[in-house]
Parts: sequence; structure tokens; C-alpha cells
Amino acid sequence: GAGVSQSPSNKVTEKGKDVELRCDPISGHTALYWYRQSLGQGLEFLIYFQGNSAPDKSGLPSDRFSAERTGGSVSTLTIQRTQQEDSAVYLCASSPGRGANVLTFGAGSRLTVL
Amino acid sequence: SQQGEEDPQALSIQEGENATMNCSYKTSINNLQWYRQNSGRGLVHLILIRSNEREKHSGRLRVTLDTSKKSSSLLITASRAADTASYFCATASGTGGFKTIFGAGTRLFVKA
Repeated sequence: GAGVSQSPSNKVTEKGKDVELRCDPISGHTALYWYRQSLGQGLEFLIYFQGNSAPDKSGLPSDRFSAERTGGSVSTLTIQRTQQEDSAVYLCASSPGRGANVLTFGAGSRLTVL
Repeated sequence: SQQGEEDPQALSIQEGENATMNCSYKTSINNLQWYRQNSGRGLVHLILIRSNEREKHSGRLRVTLDTSKKSSSLLITASRAADTASYFCATASGTGGFKTIFGAGTRLFVKA
């Protein structure tokens, strides 16, 4: 697509429920990134993919967080048994995965855990 | 953990003044990028400087990089109210240089 698309844009859930956040990157971009941003804070690196592989998962906060990417395209970030501290904006970005590797961001998914 | 630290955390200036933001990082990098964020949503790329470059210009933006000190600065000249936003530096490292880590950001407020 023309840009990075994220869905849902807003998600309100109850503590203990599972949520899935989706990212549709720019067509042809091989690298895909997930970040988390709490209100007024910086971007916390979660994970990035090169193709369908995740060379670095070191940023995932706990084993409740997982991510996958299929077909070198769409990625899903899953949070199991959500906690209130998971409330944040989850940002996805994609990049060519070569050369200067400039990231293009989606508008983010705002997650609120009650 | 975050790679970069930025200062100041917040900056308030008058329209027409220059704004300088600084970024420090910890590990070897392939390049350093600056991004802008409005209203807490997606970031927009502003400028990239490679590890073998010392200074780069783009319009009213000037970026410097000192790899010996592991630091960079972003200068916005003749600021405008529309420049009000958060500014983040990002460093790329790791195998292939694709792992991109962001600093904590500087909130810039330009008063009209």
C-alpha cells in the first residue's frame, strides 16, 4: 500500500483479555518494526523483522508479548492476559531493509486496558 | 533499554529563534536519523547522517555528528510555530544496520 496501515486505531479491553494489533507495511519493505510509546514518553523498541524472521526480540517486555510476520508482509503483535501497564500507543514502522533504511511509521494503535 | 539520551527534555522558544537539540548514544552506529512527532502518533523522518559524515543540511535543519563523543545535534533555524512537536534521534546498528533505537525525545514548543 501507499503507507503503513495499523489496526485497530483504538482498542479498549479489560484486564486479562488477549489483544491482537495488526500492521500492514509498505509494499516491498522487507524490514518491519514494533515500538511502544507511553504517554509523553519516548519509543520503546519491542521487535523487528527482516522478512519473516525476527533477528532481535530483546525488547519484548514479557512472554505475554509475541509477534509474527507472514509472507514478508503483514505483522501481528499479540498481547496475552493484558495488564493495565500495557496501556500505550503501539507504533509500527517499515523500511526498505537496505541502504539508508529510513523508517515510515503508521499512525499507531492506542491500547487502553481497564 | 533505550540507545539514546536527548537533551533538553523540553524546550520553549519564541518564533524566529533557533532551537538546538542534542542526542547521545552508546554503541557503534551505521547512521543516525532525526524524526519528528506531532500529537503522539506516527513519526516522520527528517534527516539522516551517516557515520562517516560530520554535518548535513536540509532546508532549515542542520545536523552534526561526532562519533568520537557519540553525540549528535539538531539545529532548527528561524523556528516557526508549526515546528512545535517532539523530536527524536534514532540510531541504527546491529547486523546489517537495521535495528533502530530511538532516544527519549525533546519536546519543542515555539511561541508565536
